[in-house]
Amino acid sequence: DVKVTQSSRYLVKRTGEKVFLECVQDMDHENMFWYRQDPGLGLRLIYFSYDVKMKEKGDIPEGYSVSREKKERFSLILESASTNQTSMYLCASTNRGPPYEQYFGPGTRLTVT
Amino acid sequence: EDQVTQSPEALRLQEGESSSLNCSYTVSGLRGLFWYRQDPGKGPEFLFTLYSAGEEKEKERLKATLTKKESFLHITAPKPEDSATYLCAVRSYSGGGADGLTFGKGTHLIIQP
Repeated sequence: DVKVTQSSRYLVKRTGEKVFLECVQDMDHENMFWYRQDPGLGLRLIYFSYDVKMKEKGDIPEGYSVSREKKERFSLILESASTNQTSMYLCASTNRGPPYEQYFGPGTRLTVT
Repeated sequence: EDQVTQSPEALRLQEGESSSLNCSYTVSGLRGLFWYRQDPGKGPEFLFTLYSAGEEKEKERLKATLTKKESFLHITAPKPEDSATYLCAVRSYSGGGADGLTFGKGTHLIIQP
């Protein structure tokens, strides 16, 4: 079974704090993704990575950065958290080739106060 | 820009009452349409991938079909444990972030005993 784990299920941070969200997958997948999910807006892609040390912006990268130092680990960084970054954050991974289905972690619900 | 529209937003059925969920999409070149199930507070769980018009996939009480403009998720004789939000996503040649998926906002399905 594919397993994607995320470092925290719930996180509460203060405005201006630096926040790290960690994601680890155990299926040797090349591609990893970070999404955020908000009511009424659905899932939106923040960043993705197709290889170690490689990263690409998704649809809403502003206010975020990422790091991929090892193939199995992909980190999302909020340099200075703001209240509008309160959301559910979901990590996913997939192989580079077919099949292309992405496998998701359990999510981190981040609240910025 | 890829677009995915799911309908209805919410659906309440009696146990055993069959129905269909719709996913309409606009993409420049479809490279896969995906169905996911999401339970409250959890990450999406992969259900099906469809690649070309006319393709069908089945799993227990669920059957997914694909045309050139839309996909349907048919639920036959549903049970209360089928209650969840069902998400549709597309992967295209021009989709957000290369290999990223574009998601619809989901259909919230409730099956009443």
